[in-house]
Amino acid sequence: DTAVSQTPKYLVTQMGNDKSIKCEQNLGHDTMYWYKQDSKKFLKIMFSYNNKELIINETVPNRFSPKSPDKAHLNLHINSLELGDSAVYFCASSLISGRGNEQFFGPGTRLTVL
Amino acid sequence: AQSVSQHNHHVILSEAASLELGCNYSYGGTVNLFWYVQYPGQHLQLLLKYFSGDPLVKGIKGFEAEFIKSKFSFNLRKPSVQWSDTAEYFCAVNPHSGGSYIPTFGRGTSLIVHP
Repeated sequence: DTAVSQTPKYLVTQMGNDKSIKCEQNLGHDTMYWYKQDSKKFLKIMFSYNNKELIINETVPNRFSPKSPDKAHLNLHINSLELGDSAVYFCASSLISGRGNEQFFGPGTRLTVL
Repeated sequence: AQSVSQHNHHVILSEAASLELGCNYSYGGTVNLFWYVQYPGQHLQLLLKYFSGDPLVKGIKGFEAEFIKSKFSFNLRKPSVQWSDTAEYFCAVNPHSGGSYIPTFGRGTSLIVHP
């Protein structure tokens, strides 16, 4: 009965590889997000996706690409992984029209790049 | 663009001590304000929120926050902390209108409570 789910929970990979993280929400929300949390716990928003409109944080390298097949899913694909990509990635969702854009977070994916 | 400042980056307390974590934001319009908590190894979850009305809001686990519009502040308080309150605390702001859906988070405050 998970509201926002992510897979995998842990991802260990080599530099240069391409990987994807999947996210699904069953809350009926209209907006989904990807956040990156570094080792100092700093939370940085990477993308927001609302009704087919993608808002990109300009500081995010174009190796990162979100893909949304429908309103309930927002996957994150990362090309040519680098050491600095190691972090915990959180997916979140919200309902823009209500609850003041309260964020509902997934459990996180800990990505380790070797 | 709005910004959120959390002045205390690391706070260490003993059990039963009182807690106040500062949060200030910069935005000229009406905002929705949130405090989220992240327990060790877990995801962020909502602690409390302010949309409108009574500026003193109560959340889960005995936490409360007061919105002071003139000071652009939304400080988090708890009269008596417990060891289980050890966590990372994030303040966040979202404009109340205009269809903005990019929330802004503060850098977080790490709270350690010693038993």
